[in-house]
Amino acid sequence: AQSVTQLDSQVPVFEEAPVELRCNYSSSVSVYLFWYVQYPNQGLQLLLKYLSGSTLVESINGFEAEFNKSQTSFHLRKPSVHISDTAEYFCAVSSLTSGSRLTFGEGTQLTVNP
Amino acid sequence: NAGVTQTPKFQVLKTGQSMTLQCAQDMNHNSMYWYRQDPGMGLRLIYYSASEGTTDKGEVPNGYNVSRLNKREFSLRLESAAPSQTSVYFCASSEIAGNYNEQFFGPGTRLTVL
Repeated sequence: AQSVTQLDSQVPVFEEAPVELRCNYSSSVSVYLFWYVQYPNQGLQLLLKYLSGSTLVESINGFEAEFNKSQTSFHLRKPSVHISDTAEYFCAVSSLTSGSRLTFGEGTQLTVNP
Repeated sequence: NAGVTQTPKFQVLKTGQSMTLQCAQDMNHNSMYWYRQDPGMGLRLIYYSASEGTTDKGEVPNGYNVSRLNKREFSLRLESAAPSQTSVYFCASSEIAGNYNEQFFGPGTRLTVL
């Protein structure tokens, strides 16, 4: 079985400050890891993913996440946030043994204040 | 490409009423999913269809039924709605069952059961 824990339910920050949203996973097999973003009253959009290869993955809007196998983590970071980054962020995991099923974390609400 | 579309966007039901949520995708994906989203609980899988002609239970299937009408369409039915089914429902699709799983989400249906 696989599981995901997002360690912070809410993260308030000021504009232009750095941010880290934490995600830990549990799985007995190799995993694929994802971060999704949900803007208010919208569906989820894929932000970035780790499938294999380089452990540092980046999105087009400045977010990055690092896969750390020893710590079973996939934390999301951004060096300088904007008001428009205010959204809920979901970490998710899948594996070959889970078939086509994703397991989501509980979500982290990022609020960027002016 | 419209991606994943869902109807209706909003619905209010009385306890005991029935309804069907519709989902369609135009990306020629094999797999489709129904999730519910509740505050602090992330997304929980209700049912999924790994390929046309197959459906399987997810984490929270009780009180729901599904139909994979064809490759494009996957509907979710509530036979006798209960207040506990008040939630936001998301449909998603992905490319290949059993492989890594980049899911594409619809905009959601907000359901209130009185």
